[in-house]
Amino acid sequence: AQTVTQSQPEMSVQEAETVTLSCTYDTSESDYYLFWYKQPPSRQMILVIRQEAYKQQNATENRFSVNFQKAAKSFSLKISDSQLGDAAMYFCAYNPLLVYGGATNKLIFGTGTLLAVQP
Amino acid sequence: DAGVTQSPTHLIKTRGQQVTLRCSPKSGHDTVSWYQQALGQGPQFIFQYYEEEERQRGNFPDRFSGHQFPNYSSELNVNALLLGDSALYLCASSLDLEGGGTEAFFGQGTRLTVV
Repeated sequence: AQTVTQSQPEMSVQEAETVTLSCTYDTSESDYYLFWYKQPPSRQMILVIRQEAYKQQNATENRFSVNFQKAAKSFSLKISDSQLGDAAMYFCAYNPLLVYGGATNKLIFGTGTLLAVQP
Repeated sequence: DAGVTQSPTHLIKTRGQQVTLRCSPKSGHDTVSWYQQALGQGPQFIFQYYEEEERQRGNFPDRFSGHQFPNYSSELNVNALLLGDSALYLCASSLDLEGGGTEAFFGQGTRLTVV
């Protein structure tokens, strides 16, 4: 069974600094999707960034980037120039594929990392 | 576009009762997934509805059931509530992206408290 592990329950970063959140996963599949979601106190899950496993290039979205190491089954999130609004719970999620292609959206989440941003 | 909307936002029920939670997907989406998020945990997949049928199911008992309507909105029903059912229930709707990938958009959730 696929599993997702986030080993950092809490992290803290100074405003304008860079922080990296770790995520490892376990799967026997070769194709899948990986996501980072942000959950602020408002509770709504917001997609931060996604990575297709067949793409070797690491995904980037503005200040957010990932370091995807497929062989090591590692998927870390780097937040550059941290802002106060980045403070939230961050979840790493694995998304298996349907037999005929496309993601199942049967997301498997890690336990999350609570990020605090210090002014 | 209102995005994914869930109702109610908060709910308090007594052990043994039944509850129905509702979800309206993002405009144009046809797939709805439900998740249970216990306090301090990541969301756990309950089930997914596509074209009014349950397409996938997680490891949840039959007390958890659902329905999808022709307009793609969905309901989650939980019977014989237990204290352990207290959680945030999240609904997510899906959009097919170019290349076959999909992206899940989440609602703000329903906080269910069982007393």
